[in-house]
Amino acid sequence: QVQLQESGPGLVKPSQTLSLTCIVSGGSNSGGSYYWSWIRQHPGRGLEWIGYIYYTGSTYYNPSLRSRVTISVDTSKNQFSLNLSSVTAADTAVYYCARENIAGRTFDFWGQGILVTVSS
Amino acid sequence: DIQMTQSPSSVSASVGDRVTITCRASQGISSWLAWYQQKPGKAPKLLIYAASSLQSGVPSRFSGSGSGTDFTLTISGLQPEDFATYYCQQANSFPRTFGQGTKVEIK
Repeated sequence: QVQLQESGPGLVKPSQTLSLTCIVSGGSNSGGSYYWSWIRQHPGRGLEWIGYIYYTGSTYYNPSLRSRVTISVDTSKNQFSLNLSSVTAADTAVYYCARENIAGRTFDFWGQGILVTVSS
Repeated sequence: DIQMTQSPSSVSASVGDRVTITCRASQGISSWLAWYQQKPGKAPKLLIYAASSLQSGVPSRFSGSGSGTDFTLTISGLQPEDFATYYCQQANSFPRTFGQGTKVEIK
């Protein structure tokens, strides 16, 4: 059973960079069948897709965040990471990492989520 | 971006009721639609993919239908564990987008 686990600071100051890591266990993130994705949820609100990385390193980001987002992968450590620069209070959210099954185009496994608050 | 609009935003129902949630895409997405269930403090859980295919392990009281722009999630015989928020998500193109959610509450 694949498991994903987010880690990183729960508090980030405005204008700084939010950095999160997702560790994948029970499976490999070096296979070609999945996109490794980040999704966030503002408090009490809906879900916003941030972007994905493929095991080759190719990425696709939400245009609304593209100028501030970087997603990277480390297949040797079975993990992938999110960097979001120049954060503001509007970036306060629960951040989820998730696996998108390419064939089915579904987010079939998710991390538990990590709340990141942007505040001085 | 493809906009996903769910209705209603909330519904009150009793155990045993049949509940129907609709999702409309701003443009055609073929059958590339998924439904997720989210409980407070938890990550979303995949219920339905490809508009009508039941994810392994999901009870058969959940069903999905539709194609193109209009889709439906039906819960036949609501159970206590089904009280949650439900989201649709289009997988036709990037960026992936979700509906705003439908909260199923206890009447």
